[in-house]
Amino acid sequence: NAGVTQTPKFRILKIGQSMTLQCTQDMNHNYMYWYRQDPGMGLKLIYYSVGAGITDKGEVPNGYNVSRSTTEDFPLRLELAAPSQTSVYFCASRLGNQPQHFGDGTRLSIL
Amino acid sequence: KQEVTQIPAALSVPEGENLVLNCSFTDSAIYNLQWFRQDPGKGLTSLLLIQSSQREQTSGRLNASLDKSSGRSTLYIAASQPGDSATYLCAVSRNAGNMLTFGGGTRLMVKP
Repeated sequence: NAGVTQTPKFRILKIGQSMTLQCTQDMNHNYMYWYRQDPGMGLKLIYYSVGAGITDKGEVPNGYNVSRSTTEDFPLRLELAAPSQTSVYFCASRLGNQPQHFGDGTRLSIL
Repeated sequence: KQEVTQIPAALSVPEGENLVLNCSFTDSAIYNLQWFRQDPGKGLTSLLLIQSSQREQTSGRLNASLDKSSGRSTLYIAASQPGDSATYLCAVSRNAGNMLTFGGGTRLMVKP
């Protein structure tokens, strides 16, 4: 039981490039979330999903896209990377009314 | 819009002290409140979850209280240890979807 797994752990992108941050969970959780954390700040919700095939915007969705084709996977897509998207990205999952479980994060720098 | 504030932003204490971390939120219509721990370079670990109908939750040396009407929560850590050094984050949700609004965290260092 690996929990929530995020890949890659680190990545450097050039402005305008695109990439997908991967997130997978093996706990059969229905809810999944993407957050970003800027230095010295709390986390802000980007997108979330209440189950396969259903996604919705969070507080800061601009510049990102998500999909949820399976229960296990919830990838986050950056289409045109901008310096403002330099951050640490966390994926989380939850079952029912239980606390969220977090992955270890992806540290993304855009230069 | 819900805003969550944590004071102090950083705290350094000697080992063995009892300490209190504070969290305040602007909208009292919350569904639940959670306290998380974050170690450097790691994700968040849930410590305590308090439902809006509850006043407190306890786990080992940790006790979290909730005063919804005044928009406040405290995390009490008894007999602090160097292993408690981490950033502690408070987060509130407004509904069962558990979309969390986070505070900026309190960076705790417990010195041996």
